[in-house]
Amino acid sequence: DAGVTQSPTHLIKTRGQHVTLRCSPISGHKSVSWYQQVLGQGPQFIFQYYEKEERGRGNFPDRFSARQFPNYSSELNVNALLLGDSALYLCASSLALSGGGASHEQYFGPGTRLTVT
Amino acid sequence: AQSVTQLDSHVSVSEGTPVLLRCNYSSSYSPSLFWYVQHPNKGLQLLLKYTSAATLVKGINGFEAEFKKSETSFHLTKPSAHMSDAAEYFCVVSLLTGGGNKLTFGTGTQLKVEL
Repeated sequence: DAGVTQSPTHLIKTRGQHVTLRCSPISGHKSVSWYQQVLGQGPQFIFQYYEKEERGRGNFPDRFSARQFPNYSSELNVNALLLGDSALYLCASSLALSGGGASHEQYFGPGTRLTVT
Repeated sequence: AQSVTQLDSHVSVSEGTPVLLRCNYSSSYSPSLFWYVQHPNKGLQLLLKYTSAATLVKGINGFEAEFKKSETSFHLTKPSAHMSDAAEYFCVVSLLTGGGNKLTFGTGTQLKVEL
């Protein structure tokens, strides 16, 4: 089975522009989460979606938004880009949000490297 | 609030010697704890998890971790390091809240393995 896929792999944008990042979860997974990893730091939680509904939001400004589609894929949108938005954006999927076994384990994609100049 | 503290930002070992990566956690509830590994230019891979079953957890590639409630620790160990173990390791706590499941990552430990 294919793992979590993300596109594009790399992206260069200018300050003030808008960007859309895409994520396809593992087949059968209904939850998608987004994380931002700034160079030299651990990933920070941005959003979580389950069954197309937002189930969690991290401490990020309103310039960040996301949505989940009926096929469980997801988009992360960032408006009015700032230099500080330069980071690796990671998407993770899980079967569910909680429960026994591996149902809530999150599996990560390779990430999208965003550079803002 | 739940959090994890990784006590060492860098650890260097010789190939064939034991590995110890230290992690302390803070949690109001019985936590779910994980270790993830990130190789250069790769995504995060789950090494192992603790979810209130056995306190000694075995993971992939010979890694294991022991949950010690009295010490609020979840240290990662491996008896014998291999060159391929060189990577960044993250200790992670999971918070189930408001219908969601949020992962909180530590700051990471860079493991270097020398010949």
